[in-house]
Amino acid sequence: GQNIDQPTEMTATEGAIVQINCTYQTSGFNGLFWYQQHAGEAPTFLSYNVLDGLEEKGRFSSFLSRSKGYSYLLLKELQMKDSASYLCAVIDSNYQLIWGAGTKLIIKP
Amino acid sequence: GAVVSQHPSWVICKSGTSVKIECRSLDFQATTMFWYRQFPKQSLMLMATSNEGSKATYEQGVEKDKFLINHASLTLSTLTVTSAHPEDSSFYICSARVVGLDTEAFFGQGTRLTVV
Repeated sequence: GQNIDQPTEMTATEGAIVQINCTYQTSGFNGLFWYQQHAGEAPTFLSYNVLDGLEEKGRFSSFLSRSKGYSYLLLKELQMKDSASYLCAVIDSNYQLIWGAGTKLIIKP
Repeated sequence: GAVVSQHPSWVICKSGTSVKIECRSLDFQATTMFWYRQFPKQSLMLMATSNEGSKATYEQGVEKDKFLINHASLTLSTLTVTSAHPEDSSFYICSARVVGLDTEAFFGQGTRLTVV
């Protein structure tokens, strides 16, 4: 079966750095997305990785290792507004999007 | 990025009535649209996948006669919740992609349905 694993919840301090991990086992791989979702709102796109390595975009970076079936989202200089759920999603060999359950990130002052 | 418009943003209806939710891709043609349901503090749950001009594919456990999906054109899909009950109260979100390409999912803003 297809499976994407993320921690259910994480807590971090304002101004700090947090890394949210995502591991996947899917039938094929055509890319991995990270989305941010605030409570009561639709998810918004953060990043896309299809090749191994680190993609940096401002305070957010995303890393991919295809051989390990592993990705992480790195958030720097955390702000209170970063409190949200972070969803990992993989495109499989049929170009279907497989979603993780999301990681709820709680930022404390 | 591309825009997906979902309407209405919120709706309150009486138990037993039907509610229609529209999802439009405004500046691209979406070969496939997805309907999700999300309960508070839970992740997205895929309900069905709809392809333009064909019947929707429903996920296991989703009643196709209760959640009617129509995808009449490449820019419009509708979800109708028939004979709504309080347990149908949820956040419904549509998304659109051009499947077969490495494109992101573009989401509508979601519809908060409350059945009283």
